[in-house]
Amino acid sequence: IAGITQAPTSQILAAGRRMTLRCTQDMRHNAMYWYRQDLGLGLRLIHYSNTAGTTGKGEVPDGYSVSRANTDDFPLTLASAVPSQTSVYFCASSHLAGGPTDTQYFGPGTRLTVL
Amino acid sequence: GQNIDQPTEMTATEGAIVQINCTYQTSGFNGLFWYQQHAGEAPTFLSYNVLDGLEEKGRFSSFLSRSKGYSYLLLKELQMKDSASYLCAVRDSNYQLIWGAGTKLIIKP
Repeated sequence: IAGITQAPTSQILAAGRRMTLRCTQDMRHNAMYWYRQDLGLGLRLIHYSNTAGTTGKGEVPDGYSVSRANTDDFPLTLASAVPSQTSVYFCASSHLAGGPTDTQYFGPGTRLTVL
Repeated sequence: GQNIDQPTEMTATEGAIVQINCTYQTSGFNGLFWYQQHAGEAPTFLSYNVLDGLEEKGRFSSFLSRSKGYSYLLLKELQMKDSASYLCAVRDSNYQLIWGAGTKLIIKP
């Protein structure tokens, strides 16, 4: 079944630990995105990638890094987790960034708690 | 700065009609999206507007006025399964989506 998968579904992490959230899509989409969603706030873009081999910073990139070695995978790494990174993280993809009807499709999310 | 405003919460009755408003101030405009998000789930795409006017898709319609920085999502013949949050997002001049905080819609029998 085509779509986006994320792992893990949820995680509790001690502050200071390193953590990688995984995201894989099988729709051959060029663009991929990482968002965080916090209560009372809109989705906020962390990092994005318009095509394999390129990445860019979004609205809230500090404390996070990404890589895009191939079309399908877009992992998000927290080098040293802090409690303010407690959030729900969504990965999304779209066929062509900036296209006239470019629509983003979302993975099921990862609920991360940093203690 | 960039800003998307939507009501935090709305309540409606099963079978009725509800209109969810969204106003925006963004650096550039390259389309407006509506997404539906059930509790604990991912957002799913509902509609897209880039020109002024009404786009109809079954029970859901979305309207856009670019001169007023305004959109609304109209849901007809409400069903209990429509209880969800509705997210408004605008694609700005950098082709990034700017998201509103969402409107939680509660449907009562």
